[in-house]
Amino acid sequence: DGGITQSPKYLFRKEGQNVTLSCEQNLNHDAMYWYRQDPGQGLRLIYYSQIVNDFQKGDIAEGYSVSREKKESFPLTVTSAQKNPTAFYLCASSIDPPKGTKNIQYFGAGTRLSVL
Amino acid sequence: GESVGLHLPTLSVQEGDNSIINCAYSNSASDYFIWYKQESGKGPQFIIDIRSNMDKRQGQRVTVLLNKTVKHLSLQIAATQPGDSAVYFCAENVRQAGTALIFGKGTTLSVSS
Repeated sequence: DGGITQSPKYLFRKEGQNVTLSCEQNLNHDAMYWYRQDPGQGLRLIYYSQIVNDFQKGDIAEGYSVSREKKESFPLTVTSAQKNPTAFYLCASSIDPPKGTKNIQYFGAGTRLSVL
Repeated sequence: GESVGLHLPTLSVQEGDNSIINCAYSNSASDYFIWYKQESGKGPQFIIDIRSNMDKRQGQRVTVLLNKTVKHLSLQIAATQPGDSAVYFCAENVRQAGTALIFGKGTTLSVSS
């Protein structure tokens, strides 16, 4: 199956703990993204990466970190500095088009993170 | 800041009716728009897109209309079915932002039989 795989589906974090959410894609997409979704809200961009070994902060990057060592993988770490981490986290990928052209992002099934 | 928003948070329709979901945007530099459907507990699923050089695009049972004059986007679903029940998001691509999309807050569509 081709697509975007997020794991785990559910994750629990203890106080002061860092947790890492996995995102893998086999679509050969250049760009990958992490979004946070709170209940009844839209998606807010945390980080994105347009190429291996490079990534940019989104609107709400504080308390999060990412790496992009491989094209297929874009893990997100929720650090202890993120004081309100409970949310639904979505990973997406897209071909990296030139600016101003189509950018369809395809999403994984999400990881629901809760604080114990 | 500038953002994409939706006029109504919820919309309830009867099976077989046509549904219209609206979205307003404020950035005149946006040149590409996408509609996504998100079912409960799942990731958003691409429905249809439109570029700013068009004012209408049709898919299977769905039509997207773009009015750049008033910065308004709408998604029309024909003969709405219970399986269409979901949250619908519009998203815009702001040219200066590169590949990042900006999402609205979503409209929850409920279809009753």
